[in-house]
Amino acid sequence: EVQLVQSGAEVKKPGESLKISCKGSGYTFPTYWIGWVRQMPGRGLEWMGFIYPGDSDTKYNPSFEGQVTISADKSISTAYLQWSSLKASDTAMYYCARGPLMTRLTHFDHWGPGTLVTVSS
Amino acid sequence: EIVLTQSPGTVSLSPGERATLSCRASQSVDKSYLAWYQQKPGQAPRLLISGASKRATGIPDRFSGSGSGTDFTLTISGLEPEDFAVYYCQQYGGAPLTFGPGTKVDIK
Repeated sequence: EVQLVQSGAEVKKPGESLKISCKGSGYTFPTYWIGWVRQMPGRGLEWMGFIYPGDSDTKYNPSFEGQVTISADKSISTAYLQWSSLKASDTAMYYCARGPLMTRLTHFDHWGPGTLVTVSS
Repeated sequence: EIVLTQSPGTVSLSPGERATLSCRASQSVDKSYLAWYQQKPGQAPRLLISGASKRATGIPDRFSGSGSGTDFTLTISGLEPEDFAVYYCQQYGGAPLTFGPGTKVDIK
């Protein structure tokens, strides 16, 4: 069974750094794209970017480029999303999701449960 | 960037009724690379349809997708109580990947 397990909820202050994780199991982690999707409170879904864990090839949505960093450690089947300096506007639920197609242009067939990030002074 | 528009924003229906949800793209979606997701409160999205019309594993056949080019439809034939949720379309025919704003199907 394919599973994506995400790290727990975080409460941070503006300006702090943060790295959240997504651990895959039940499939060959290095060979599927992992995407990150933001959902701000009461809002819709926004694709942030992708990583291919096999070679760490990364693609960002231009709207998020420079704002976050996506990385992965294939040896432990884990992808990461990190911020160097959080803003209140980063408050959102963040989902990781698996892309089943062998291409950056893919939908998402399995989703993690989400990590709620709250940024407040 | 391909912008997706979903209509209606909210639809109120009774169990057993048919729901017809629309997703329109600002430009043609290559290879009908259009997916539909269902999201219930407090849950992650769940894939329903990919490639405009292919049901994902385990999705009941009351869910069907159709369309091509710029116009796509998700039909739920006979709403069950568990179908009341928000539905999103997503295109993956071009970068960046984009989602529609969602259609909420609520109980009349």
